[in-house]
Amino acid sequence: ETGVTQSPTHLIKTRGQQVTLRCSSQSGHNTVSWYQQALGQGPQFIFQYYREEENGRGNFPPRFSGLQFPNYSSELNVNALELDDSALYLCASTPGQGYEQYFGPGTRLTVT
Amino acid sequence: RKEVEQDPGPFNVPEGATVAFNCTYSNSASQSFFWYRQDCRKEPKLLMSVYSSGNEDGRFTAQLNRASQYISLLIRDSKLSDSATYLCVVNRDGNQFYFGTGTSLTVIP
Repeated sequence: ETGVTQSPTHLIKTRGQQVTLRCSSQSGHNTVSWYQQALGQGPQFIFQYYREEENGRGNFPPRFSGLQFPNYSSELNVNALELDDSALYLCASTPGQGYEQYFGPGTRLTVT
Repeated sequence: RKEVEQDPGPFNVPEGATVAFNCTYSNSASQSFFWYRQDCRKEPKLLMSVYSSGNEDGRFTAQLNRASQYISLLIRDSKLSDSATYLCVVNRDGNQFYFGTGTSLTVIP
């Protein structure tokens, strides 16, 4: 096990609603990244947090936002949910930039 | 053009076979490279990092060719437990990891 945990494991939301997903990073890892993985695709980078600051962002709209806390845990918030937001959301922690990333089990979000 | 391209497969091979996966990346400034495996409906798990000199971990060998912007993974003596999707991953600027779409492998008894 990687030591990265995510909650909840599954979630069903309605279009237009908001959702918050949570991640606890592996002990000693100060960098957390979030990914969206649609069925049959590789994970797509959403953003990364390093020491509570956003440290890079992929091609996702502003309704995807995040936070990192002093204990390095993190949240992903998605506003105004769309059907295409249905995916597996993965959190990954790393001991430093450029190093290998360790993934949590993911949150499977379904938007109806 | 995609940052990372992989042959999606599927690759169906008998137990004991040797199988190779290839991956190309588009940006020559890419700095670090990895192979991950992902089982159905599970998270990606790090299989191995890929170094310029090539590296081996048991039955698995990874190679990097920077001139051709090409990464490979060789699996020898395939086991049933090797059945999974193999993801090629490239890191360019320290914070963003680019994943390929994955190559599906099924090892047949």
